[in-house]
Amino acid sequence: GAVVSQHPSWVICKSGTSVKIECRSLDFQATTMFWYRQFPKQSLMLMATSNEGSKATYEQGVEKDKFLINHASLTLSTLTVTSAHPEDSSFYICSACLEGPLPRGGELFFGEGSRLTVL
Amino acid sequence: EDKVVQSPLSLVVHEGDTVTLNCSYEVTNFRSLLWYKQEKKAPTFLFMLTSSGIEKKSGRLSSILDKKELFSILNITATQTGDSAVYLCAVENYPMNRDDKIIFGKGTRLHILP
Repeated sequence: GAVVSQHPSWVICKSGTSVKIECRSLDFQATTMFWYRQFPKQSLMLMATSNEGSKATYEQGVEKDKFLINHASLTLSTLTVTSAHPEDSSFYICSACLEGPLPRGGELFFGEGSRLTVL
Repeated sequence: EDKVVQSPLSLVVHEGDTVTLNCSYEVTNFRSLLWYKQEKKAPTFLFMLTSSGIEKKSGRLSSILDKKELFSILNITATQTGDSAVYLCAVENYPMNRDDKIIFGKGTRLHILP
């Protein structure tokens, strides 16, 4: 159980276009999901916290108008990179928080990532 | 099916003990294995391993990879209460095709008793 799926896993787009990445919790509901950006040999950088039914909370330095997050249901959050540029090329990963009591409550389950390449 | 399995799922030890966390994997195109420490929402990078038999070390933490047997271990010596966290293992698939992926294990929840 507790599977998180991301789609697409790989996308190439032209500079100036927008790209949407989906994050789904397949067998559990998640009111909270997180979006990260992975840099080579570095920690996952938290971009924002996605909250079902309300606005996302963005980390300092992350442009909310560029990285639009929508958490429309308890199993789906989307990240849209608007007007993408080559510097946005990266590996984007989501995680979903399993709610409930310990020992599993509060654990994060990660998607397999989405590689974005902007030409 | 690509998968990463960590064991144990949970571990409770006393301060000063040494712990070994395990990570085994089955993936189609191995690129690297990563260890992270997760205390809050964003995991902190610990090690990246790409070659077998070469130990990576950082203070009291060390890790080694065995690409023949498809596993890695993370050792923590002289544990401290600050080591309490979830330790995540992840494997990157080599980007030979469109299936560039990072696959996370479920994590090992480590709790250090004072």
